[in-house]
Parts: sequence; C-alpha cells; structure tokens
Amino acid sequence: QVQLRESGPALVKPSETLSLNCSISGTSIINYYWSWLRQSPNKGLEWIGYSQLNVATVYNPSFKSRVTISIDKSRDLISLTLTSVTAADTAVYYCARRGPAAVFVGWGPGTLVTVSS
Amino acid sequence: DVDLTQSPATLSAFLGDTVSISCRASQNVGNWSAWYHQRPGNAPNLLIQKTSNLQPAVSSRFSGTGSGTDFTLTIRNVESGDIGTYFCQQYSRAPWTFGQGTKVEI
Repeated sequence: QVQLRESGPALVKPSETLSLNCSISGTSIINYYWSWLRQSPNKGLEWIGYSQLNVATVYNPSFKSRVTISIDKSRDLISLTLTSVTAADTAVYYCARRGPAAVFVGWGPGTLVTVSS
Repeated sequence: DVDLTQSPATLSAFLGDTVSISCRASQNVGNWSAWYHQRPGNAPNLLIQKTSNLQPAVSSRFSGTGSGTDFTLTIRNVESGDIGTYFCQQYSRAPWTFGQGTKVEI
C-alpha cells in the first residue's frame, strides 16, 4: 500500500521560504506523478503542481514564479519549496499521488504551515 | 481558470435519506470531473472520477452524473460515516480546480 507523509516546519516567517518534504513508501517513487496541494479556509483546495521523475514538472500558474517541486529518488522524497511567503500561504499542505488522469488517488495526512512573524 | 460552484454549502440529512450535491463549472469540462469526501481532520479521499466511475472499495450508495458544466453527486441511504465535506474537481483544463465544498451533517 502506498503511503505518503508530509514533514517540515509548522511556522514560517513572512517573506521567507517554505520547505516541505513528502516521504513515500510502498512503491517506487519513479512510477507515478506526485502532486502538492494545499487547503485554507479562504481559498479552499488548491492544486500547486505535480512532478514525475525525468518526465515532467507542471505548476499552477498562480504559484509558478515562487514554487519548485523536486524528487529525490535516493531518499524517496518529494520536496516543495515556496518562496516569499505571506499570510495568504497559511494552509494545510498535502502531497498526493496523481492517477493516470489528473485526479488525486492517495493523499498524505497533511501538515499545517502557518506564516507569521 | 475554471470556477466550480457547489450547492448547497451545507446539507442536513437524516439517516437513510437520499441526498444530492450539485457542482456547476464556469466552462465546459466534458466528463472530466471527480468527487472527494473529506472527514474532519483527514485528507480528502477520492470517490468518483470521470463523472461516474466509482473508485474501488467505494460504496455503490454513491453515484455521479452529469456532463459539460453540470454535475451531481448522489448519496443513497445516508449513513453516519458519510458526514464531512464533499468536493468536486475538474481536470479538463489546467490548472485543475476544486469546488468550495458541501458540508453534510446528520
């Protein structure tokens, strides 16, 4: 069974960089597309981007200038970095496995990130 | 971006009821719609993709219909485990987007 788990700082200061990891178990990380999404009371669920190792990385244009998704095959990790954060980036961040179609078939439990000084 | 509008925002049901949730898209998304269920404190869980295709292990009490801009999730014989928030998603046009959610209460 594929399992995902997000980890990273719970508090980030405004203007700084948010960095999260998602650890994968139960499958090879190279087999699938992996996505990051977030959920906040103000904006609801938002798709941030997806990546498959050596295939493609695609970002939501709303985040494109600030976001990087990368995959570390040796550590079975998917990473998210989001630069120049503001309070509007406060959200629960999820990593998820994307299916052959662009739906999200398995999710991590999520991690709450608060942007505050 | 394709905007998805769900109604109602909140739905109160009795056990055993049949209820429906609507999702309206601002543009034609064909059959590229999905539904998720999120229990309080948990991540969303995919129920249905391509408008009407149930995920394995999802109860047949759930069904999806629609096409184009109008989609409906129907839950028959509502059970206590059905509480939570239901979201629609479109994946016809990037960026993929979600509805704002419909909270189901018993």
